[in-house]
Amino acid sequence: DAKTTQPDSMESTEGETVHLPCSHATISGNEYIYWYRQVPLQGPEYVTHGLQQNTTNSMAFLAIASDRKSSTLILTHVSLRDAAVYHCILIEGGYQNFYFGKGTSLTVIP
Amino acid sequence: ETAVFQTPNYHVTQVGNEVSFNCKQTLGHDTMYWYKQDSKKLLKIMFSYNNKQLIVNETVPRRFSPQSSDKAHLNLRIKSVEPEDSAVYLCASSLQVSNERLFFGHGTKLSVL
Repeated sequence: DAKTTQPDSMESTEGETVHLPCSHATISGNEYIYWYRQVPLQGPEYVTHGLQQNTTNSMAFLAIASDRKSSTLILTHVSLRDAAVYHCILIEGGYQNFYFGKGTSLTVIP
Repeated sequence: ETAVFQTPNYHVTQVGNEVSFNCKQTLGHDTMYWYKQDSKKLLKIMFSYNNKQLIVNETVPRRFSPQSSDKAHLNLRIKSVEPEDSAVYLCASSLQVSNERLFFGHGTKLSVL
């Protein structure tokens, strides 16, 4: 079962900033928080990851709570291409089995 | 932009047949993986290859076998398919075995009748 909890769906308008929350209350000290996104008929696409500090890259900003029990993926100036299912997953010690879960389906309105 | 290429996209077959899925990556990565994604979206690692050396082999049935000619190619063969093999098979690569970022192919959806 997934160790993370995400809302089933969220909606945003093009050009806006969207905050995608993820709860991981039982996260262990060595687990990294990863975000991938997936659109139908394609494999997952890496978005970002972090351990303790907030991180940023060209795709998104990842805000991690100080107790690490939750995180928020922040997408700025969203476009139609950002419409996807966003998965928050916990990974420790390399890629073994991991559970994508249902994720959050982000709809972007033109 | 796709850099991990899988063929075929779909495959329908009958129980007992042999199938092969191909995967090629053009990223120059050292490590490639095969995952099985079931209906509940669980990604289960099947194999990983680092420079043609098998470095992870989870408890997959013996009818599954990886095949690699070089570090850019990792194929998956299923000798005699079973109904429970119906799933999406995802190929991925990473720069190194310990690298955090995975690049996935589009997946191959297998349906076993």
